[in-house]
Amino acid sequence: SQQGEEDPQALSIQEGENATMNCSYKTSINNLQWYRQNSGRGLVHLILIRSNEREKHSGRLRVTLDTSKKSSSLLITASRAADTASYFCAIHGSGNTGKLIFGQGTTLQVKP
Amino acid sequence: DAGVTQSPTHLIKTRGQQVTLRCSPISGHKSVSWYQQVLGQGPQFIFQYYEKEERGRGNFPDRFSARQFPNYSSELNVNALLLGDSALYLCASSGGYGGGNQPQHFGDGTRLSIL
Repeated sequence: SQQGEEDPQALSIQEGENATMNCSYKTSINNLQWYRQNSGRGLVHLILIRSNEREKHSGRLRVTLDTSKKSSSLLITASRAADTASYFCAIHGSGNTGKLIFGQGTTLQVKP
Repeated sequence: DAGVTQSPTHLIKTRGQQVTLRCSPISGHKSVSWYQQVLGQGPQFIFQYYEKEERGRGNFPDRFSARQFPNYSSELNVNALLLGDSALYLCASSGGYGGGNQPQHFGDGTRLSIL
């Protein structure tokens, strides 16, 4: 299976702390994407990292990709209560479809 | 600019019925994908359409079908509904050539409940 597997399943931190979420996968990828989902809403795209990239930043977000270990991590620095959400990694594998394979997600709670 | 819009937002059906869900992509986007998200799980890919042609299909039974119209909007149809079809159905659009190298933009979904 190409499914991304995320760790931890749930994470609870205080505002201002950093949050790290990990994603592992089993096959070759074209890119890996991270999405956020607030309760009952659609997914919001955060970062896309290509297979030949190792690190990308966007504001308080930092994503790393290690293709040799088939793993990625999402770091949220200086977390805020508004960061409370579920975070999903999604694998785009080979082929010319736009199919994404999502992991089960990490539920992040940031306490004020 | 308007994002991806889906209708209806909520729907209640009974087993055996049929349902049609609708999606309007972001203006200029030619690729539309459908995902099913069961409570507590990540979204699962159902279909992708690009330029009105089916580009990809996930592991779903033939009860699930979709199409894309000349204005790039899309419909997802599900026949002979089962209790297990209860889920949030998400539509996503993307720019480029729909090959997966562009981020996908999701609507807020249609919450389908089967009684």
